[in-house]
Amino acid sequence: EVQLVESGGGLVQPGGSLRLSCAASGFTFSSYEMNWVRQAPGKGLEWVSYISSSGSTIYYADSVKGRFTISRDNAKNSLYLQMNSLRAEDTAVYYCAPSAAGGGFDYWGQGTLVTVSS
Amino acid sequence: SYVLTQPPSVSVAPGKTARITCGGNNIGSKSVHWYQQKPGQAPVLVIYYDSDRPSGIPERFSGSNSGNTATLTISRVEAGDEADYYCQVWDSSSDHPVVFGGGTKLTVL
Repeated sequence: EVQLVESGGGLVQPGGSLRLSCAASGFTFSSYEMNWVRQAPGKGLEWVSYISSSGSTIYYADSVKGRFTISRDNAKNSLYLQMNSLRAEDTAVYYCAPSAAGGGFDYWGQGTLVTVSS
Repeated sequence: SYVLTQPPSVSVAPGKTARITCGGNNIGSKSVHWYQQKPGQAPVLVIYYDSDRPSGIPERFSGSNSGNTATLTISRVEAGDEADYYCQVWDSSSDHPVVFGGGTKLTVL
């Protein structure tokens, strides 16, 4: 059974930092491209970042480029998102999701809530 | 970057057919995926590759994609289908490869 467990969310002040983690199991993590997707309260889904299976190719949404860093540890079956210079508009539930064939997402974690507020 | 446009809301009576559209420039040349999201829950894939259904998704859910519009069709709508629905594509030509539509709230009257 595929499991994706996000952690590391919480309350942080504007300008602060957080590191999110996603623990994956039930599939060959090292073979899958991975993504972070977020959803602000009452808003739609927003793609945040992508990393290839080897980690050699990385993309970011314009809204987080230069502030967020995606990484992975295939030996630990884990995905990470280092978030710096956080803003109120980064407040959201953050999900990790592996890319399925055709670029869809057939598995999602339960998400971790990040709240940026003073 | 690529833009997907969905109607904010669609309403349908129980037992009728709901159609949710997703507009994008030449979207027919891309693979479209659809997600259902109920309050407080993670999204669930209901259609992939334009028209394929994952296991466990009822046959009432179907999809099509041509020209500039992809459509999610839900036949014989039930109260439990009330949710937000999102379309999504993978834009392989972009360094922003994952694009979501803005979402459509399906209300069952």
